[in-house]
Amino acid sequence: AQSVSQHNHHVILSEAASLELGCNYSYGGTVNLFWYVQYPGQHLQLLLKYFSGDPLVKGIKGFEAEFIKSKFSFNLRKPSVQWSDTAEYFCAVSPNRDDKIIFGKGTRLHILP
Amino acid sequence: DAGVIQSPRHEVTEMGQEVTLRCKPISGHNSLFWYRQTMMRGLELLIYFNNNVPIDDSGMPEDRFSAKMPNASFSTLKIQPSEPRDSAVYFCASRPQRSLQETQYFGPGTRLLVL
Repeated sequence: AQSVSQHNHHVILSEAASLELGCNYSYGGTVNLFWYVQYPGQHLQLLLKYFSGDPLVKGIKGFEAEFIKSKFSFNLRKPSVQWSDTAEYFCAVSPNRDDKIIFGKGTRLHILP
Repeated sequence: DAGVIQSPRHEVTEMGQEVTLRCKPISGHNSLFWYRQTMMRGLELLIYFNNNVPIDDSGMPEDRFSAKMPNASFSTLKIQPSEPRDSAVYFCASRPQRSLQETQYFGPGTRLLVL
């Protein structure tokens, strides 16, 4: 069965630190990949997505993610985090021929001011 | 665009009672998804519909859970009877079906507490 693994359940950083959140998936075929963000008390919003083309994807708010097919990974990065980035981040995968999106369990990011 | 609308936003009920959660997808979206979010299990897909037809309900935990989509602008998720372990945030999401590469848009969720 398809699955998504997020390496860190809880990350604490200081403002201006660099961020990398790990995500690995298990599916052998072509996939679409997503990162969603859930700010405190809010619903999930799309941060960025990869369908094809350049494996380095740029999203909103300075976030980017790199798809490495050989490693089945889609790690999220940001060079310098802000206090407002405090949120929960979800990696998700959808097989290319499927409507379903499988979500990871999320990583809670806490940024210290 | 109003986005995906869910009601109620919060629901507190007693064990054994029937609970009905409602969702209005974004106009023109053909696919609708119901998710459940808990601390232990994260975000789980319960069921999804394409053009009002249930496609995959393998995530529905038990027969106590049922979902309907009588028309393109309305869906319900019902729990009868409810149990304390059903306490969670339930999200509805919709997506246009122009292609499988379209993004899902999530509603604000219904926070359910079963006492």
